[in-house]
Amino acid sequence: GIQVEQSPPDLILQEGANSTLRCNFSDSVNNLQWFHQNPWGQLINLFYIPSGTKQNGRLSATTVATERYSLLYISSSQTTDSGVYFCAASPGYTGGFKTIFGAGTRLFVKA
Amino acid sequence: NAGVTQTPKFQVLKTGQSMTLQCAQDMNHNSMYWYRQDPGMGLRLIYYSASEGTTDKGEVPNGYNVSRLNKREFSLRLESAAPSQTSVYFCASSRGLAGGEETQYFGPGTRLLVL
Repeated sequence: GIQVEQSPPDLILQEGANSTLRCNFSDSVNNLQWFHQNPWGQLINLFYIPSGTKQNGRLSATTVATERYSLLYISSSQTTDSGVYFCAASPGYTGGFKTIFGAGTRLFVKA
Repeated sequence: NAGVTQTPKFQVLKTGQSMTLQCAQDMNHNSMYWYRQDPGMGLRLIYYSASEGTTDKGEVPNGYNVSRLNKREFSLRLESAAPSQTSVYFCASSRGLAGGEETQYFGPGTRLLVL
């Protein structure tokens, strides 16, 4: 089945710094999502981005489907950005709801 | 609009006991999912229901059963709980329309401890 790998596993930033999180997937996908899990365990969807580029405030994401990777950019990081960022992918066939999550990138932003 | 709700929030079971985790969504979504998250790890799909009346196994289905009761509700049952099933369980839903955006929306989770 599809495999999803995220890097780096851990990241510590000073408030105001920028960062790039990477997600590699082993097969073609028709769904690719980024989530943020806050320190209280709540999962918030950030982007649905099987291809192309999207931006939402200080966050943006790019997926290059032909090269099987996605990037999440965080600019001017804030302490509230702390938590775990997950990439999740579903295979590229009809009815592809079988979602596989990466292990996540744990981000800590220092004040 | 409550989104995705889960009950209970927290449960302690003894080995061998059974229980059902409840999930409901009010977004008129066709697809629903059950995941488990073990400490320090990502989420793993247990079962999913692409549409009302259908269910399919995910990565880790052993020891679980599911019921898609209607379009709104998707329950997860542990028939004989084991300590290895100690985890946080998340329910999610998505539109489930062909060719559409399949953003998944998550409930708050159920923390289960099996002694």
